[in-house]
Amino acid sequence: GAVVSQHPSRVICKSGTSVKIECRSLDFQATTMFWYRQFPKQSLMLMATSNEGSKATYEQGVEKDKFLINHASLTLSTLTVTSAHPEDSSFYICSRGAAYGYTFGSGTRLTVV
Amino acid sequence: QKEVEQNSGPLSVPEGAIASLNCTYSDRVSQSFFWYRQYSGKSPELIMSIYSNGDKEDGRFTAQLNKASQYVSLLIRDSQPSDSATYLCAVSGQSGGGADGLTFGKGTHLIIQP
Repeated sequence: GAVVSQHPSRVICKSGTSVKIECRSLDFQATTMFWYRQFPKQSLMLMATSNEGSKATYEQGVEKDKFLINHASLTLSTLTVTSAHPEDSSFYICSRGAAYGYTFGSGTRLTVV
Repeated sequence: QKEVEQNSGPLSVPEGAIASLNCTYSDRVSQSFFWYRQYSGKSPELIMSIYSNGDKEDGRFTAQLNKASQYVSLLIRDSQPSDSATYLCAVSGQSGGGADGLTFGKGTHLIIQP
């Protein structure tokens, strides 16, 4: 079964609302997890690195106040898309780090209407 | 800025033939290299990882790495229709440690013709 669980798999939200995506490491504790975004027919782009017990580090061009990351436990990282807009519609995917083979979650398809 | 380049394809290969996928990367300090397979609408699944120059074989798959040329390739022998997917090349700056996320190429769309 999946060792990285991501929930929800699909979400549709109204423009201006916030959406939370959960990523759980089921078999190992993960001090570091990564969040990626994939637009249609594009590749995965690293958004941020989620660090347990400390602030996330964001890639250049990713708004930290819009994409809130919380890694409050060794098995759970969450990504909250705040004040979502249609241009935030994308496929969001989390992964564990190199120590666990960069295993990916199943992804969340976000559609903002 | 790390860059990973792949030919987007589509690459069409007859069933049973060898599919050859190529990737180049820009950052010379990159240490870890990965090939992922992604079906439409799904998340990537790891096919191969390679860290040292040379070949690494796993079943029908062989990854090849040439750090001097900054080149990584994936060979799929005895291609099957189920191999039809987008293949993503990914690079990390560090081997182990887990502190470095992956930089992905745009992927090569592979079609295996029955």
